Amino acid sequence: AQSVTQLDSHVSVSEGTPVLLRCNYSSSYSPSLFWYVQHPNKGLQLLLKYTSAATLVKGINGFEAEFKKSETSFHLTKPSAHMSDAAEYFCVVRFSGNTPLVFGKGTRLSVIA
Amino acid sequence: DVKVTQSSRYLVKRTGEKVFLECVQDMDHENMFWYRQDPGLGLRLIYFSYDVKMKEKGDIPEGYSVSREKKERFSLILESASTNQTSMYLCASILGGRNTGELFFGEGSRLTVL
Repeated sequence: AQSVTQLDSHVSVSEGTPVLLRCNYSSSYSPSLFWYVQHPNKGLQLLLKYTSAATLVKGINGFEAEFKKSETSFHLTKPSAHMSDAAEYFCVVRFSGNTPLVFGKGTRLSVIA
Repeated sequence: DVKVTQSSRYLVKRTGEKVFLECVQDMDHENMFWYRQDPGLGLRLIYFSYDVKMKEKGDIPEGYSVSREKKERFSLILESASTNQTSMYLCASILGGRNTGELFFGEGSRLTVL
């Protein structure tokens, strides 16, 4: 079955240090990949998406993700964490057209002052 | 401004009641989805619809049914609500076909079953 694995359920970083949230997915020829963020008591917001253009994708709020086909990974990074980045992050994959999007279980990011 | 609108933000129902959750999108999207979100479990797909009058079971369809009579509207039905269906329900829509755009979400419907 097609699956999305977020390797860490919780990541804690200090303000100003780099953020790395990891995501791997089961193999697919040409997937569409997304990262969504959900702040407490808020709806889901698109951070960035990869749809077969450049492998390094830039999103909102300074986040980036790199598509590595050989590793079937789509890790999310940010050079310097801000307190407002504390939220839950979901890696999402659409394995082919007209199929559901598959969500990872989420990674809760905590930012310590 | 594009929108996915869910009819109720908060509902409280009793065990055994029939519950309707309505979702409307104004983007002419073919594909629509119902997810439930529970702590530690992420978003789990209940049902999805490729287009009008089409529906497919997701990962956890038991206890739920859906209706898609018009392209813009996708309804989730709990025939006989149970306490384990207490959850946040999220509706989403996206363009169909190979060129996938963004998945747009509604604000969610928090259902409590007593």
